[in-house]
Amino acid sequence: DTGVSQDPRHKITKRGQNVTFRCDPISEHNRLYWYRQTLGQGPEFLTYFQNEAQLEKSRLLSDRFSAERPKGSFSTLEIQRTEQGDSAMYLCASSLDLSGRTDTQYFGPGTRLTVL
Amino acid sequence: ILNVEQSPQSLHVQEGDSTNFTCSFPSSNFYALHWYRWETAKSPEALFVMTLNGDEKKKGRISATLNTKEGYSYLYIKGSQPEDSATYLCAFSNYQLIWGAGTKLIIKP
Repeated sequence: DTGVSQDPRHKITKRGQNVTFRCDPISEHNRLYWYRQTLGQGPEFLTYFQNEAQLEKSRLLSDRFSAERPKGSFSTLEIQRTEQGDSAMYLCASSLDLSGRTDTQYFGPGTRLTVL
Repeated sequence: ILNVEQSPQSLHVQEGDSTNFTCSFPSSNFYALHWYRWETAKSPEALFVMTLNGDEKKKGRISATLNTKEGYSYLYIKGSQPEDSATYLCAFSNYQLIWGAGTKLIIKP
């Protein structure tokens, strides 16, 4: 399978704990995006990378959230001191930067986080 | 604040019937409009990327039209089948994708 993969698929944690999610994009894709989706809403943009550079961060991304893409391949999203409001589906997508705004983003299956 | 609206929120359709739903988006500074299908427990799947006013795209029984001047796109499904049951999301492209909340389509056998 050469699609976008995410690990884990599900994570249950207690409030105050730290969690880390991983995303492996399609291998030749240089752009990688993180989104968050809560019930009944569309995905909300969190951040994106062009190769290893983090080019944009949403104001939704508080200082408890950090994302990295150290070698321009896989990415991690860490949430520190989790809160119940962090419970959501975290989606990763990748794209090949050909034409910018019209590039198709290919999504992984998401990581569903539940904070108790 | 850029807003993307989809209607209806959910839709029950009899198998074999055709259906359509709407995505409304800002008509200024338009770059592209994306349609995705998201089945439960699967990854969102890209259907169309639309860029030109009047554009019409087709993939099997699914087609979409685009009106950038008035800021809307329609998605049509002809002869609905149970496998069409999914949430259909549209997203307005402005560097990042700004998403609607989706239309949940349920096909009744």
